[in-house]
Amino acid sequence: DTGVSQDPRHKITKRGQNVTFRCDPISEHNRLYWYRQTLGQGPEFLTYFQNEAQLEKSRLLSDRFSAERPKGSFSTLEIQRTEQGDSAMYLCASTDSGGRPYNEQFFGPGTRLTVL
Amino acid sequence: GNSVTQMEGPVTLSEEAFLTINCTYTATGYPSLFWYVQYPGEGLQLLLKATKADDKGSNKGFEATYRKETTSFHLEKGSVQVSDSAVYFCALSDRAGTNAGKSTFGDGTTLTVKP
Repeated sequence: DTGVSQDPRHKITKRGQNVTFRCDPISEHNRLYWYRQTLGQGPEFLTYFQNEAQLEKSRLLSDRFSAERPKGSFSTLEIQRTEQGDSAMYLCASTDSGGRPYNEQFFGPGTRLTVL
Repeated sequence: GNSVTQMEGPVTLSEEAFLTINCTYTATGYPSLFWYVQYPGEGLQLLLKATKADDKGSNKGFEATYRKETTSFHLEKGSVQVSDSAVYFCALSDRAGTNAGKSTFGDGTTLTVKP
């Protein structure tokens, strides 16, 4: 396993279109996180899963956003009716919650979304 | 809630200069602390970490000490190189409970090292 992967790496779309991003975590990791990073800012938490259960959603995650992790492995993040304000880097991270003291997160390379 | 405040940038240094990037935090629990680095066009990479008071994290010549009394985790390097030019993020995560692992980040500090 070479780490967390995300697809696509770049997505350009027109306002009003729907987009879907995929994240494949490190295989033995049971927790998966989505973050959004805009230019000049640090990553902001969106949501996370433990196995297939979505445990928390940020207020940043409007009704147009939905995330799934159907089998507790890969996850998808869908944005419906995209707006220009959705343009950002979407980061995925995974970790193993099994008692490790650091709970270190491993990040994927991100998907850069541009909404025209 | 949790928050992280980083020294504002950008920071420009000459090669071999001493680097300090300040980071302070507010946390409801007893967090783990991290520094991440993001090179141009790349994703976040963990630089170093510390899990309890007085722990010192170190990697690639960078160091940071977990100071619980001052709620700080300042990043230092004795002699920077051009290749250290990047954006540096301070972060914390809860160590236990349902939020364990969820990270809160600072806004990042851009470092440019000139030859």
